[in-house]
Amino acid sequence: ETGVTQTPRHLVMGMTNKKSLKCEQHLGHNAMYWYKQSAKKPLELMFVYSLEERVENNSVPSRFSPECPNSSHLFLHLHTLQPEDSALYLCASSQYDRVTEAFFGQGTRLTVV
Amino acid sequence: KQEVTQIPAALSVPEGENLVLNCSFTDSAIYNLQWFRQDPGKGLTSLLLIQSSQREQTSGRLNASLDKSSGRSTLYIAASQPGDSATYLCAVRRTSSNTGKLIFGQGTTLQVKP
Repeated sequence: ETGVTQTPRHLVMGMTNKKSLKCEQHLGHNAMYWYKQSAKKPLELMFVYSLEERVENNSVPSRFSPECPNSSHLFLHLHTLQPEDSALYLCASSQYDRVTEAFFGQGTRLTVV
Repeated sequence: KQEVTQIPAALSVPEGENLVLNCSFTDSAIYNLQWFRQDPGKGLTSLLLIQSSQREQTSGRLNASLDKSSGRSTLYIAASQPGDSATYLCAVRRTSSNTGKLIFGQGTTLQVKP
């Protein structure tokens, strides 16, 4: 248990579905992140929220929509995804303004059919 | 642009061996470097964090070193055990990043045989 909890752990969705991934941290961190891990590729940063404000968006398609309602919760809303979006989606948190470890959740394994 | 490379991509050793995993980065202006472990289909577990001003960090059988000038870090695992089998990832945070963004290598998949 790392202090970062992601739900669901597994998700299968059709290309026309809408679903949401949830992340929760109780570490008192002030930044939260979504990373994508595809087969044979390094982890790629998708979004950064710092003090609940989106501060980075790495050219992610609009079918991925993040939301950060408070400093402890982060969502990733998914709609009209493509099969190539199938991947492990990892949430992380850290203190952006100090040298501290980043902690990751267990991930959501997403399969788009 | 910061790039992180890990060599080898895969490693298989007999139990009890000491081993070294390598991580190199192209831009020496880093804020810190972090080593993670990832079990298949799972999230990342933080192993060690080295600040840019530090040369090494130790935790149990693990020792990580950092040489910023040459753009290298190594993770030394002493007396390896089958339970050490996993993928090991290194990640750097650039000095210029004010968001805590990490840039990852592709990882080294380690198998320790009983």
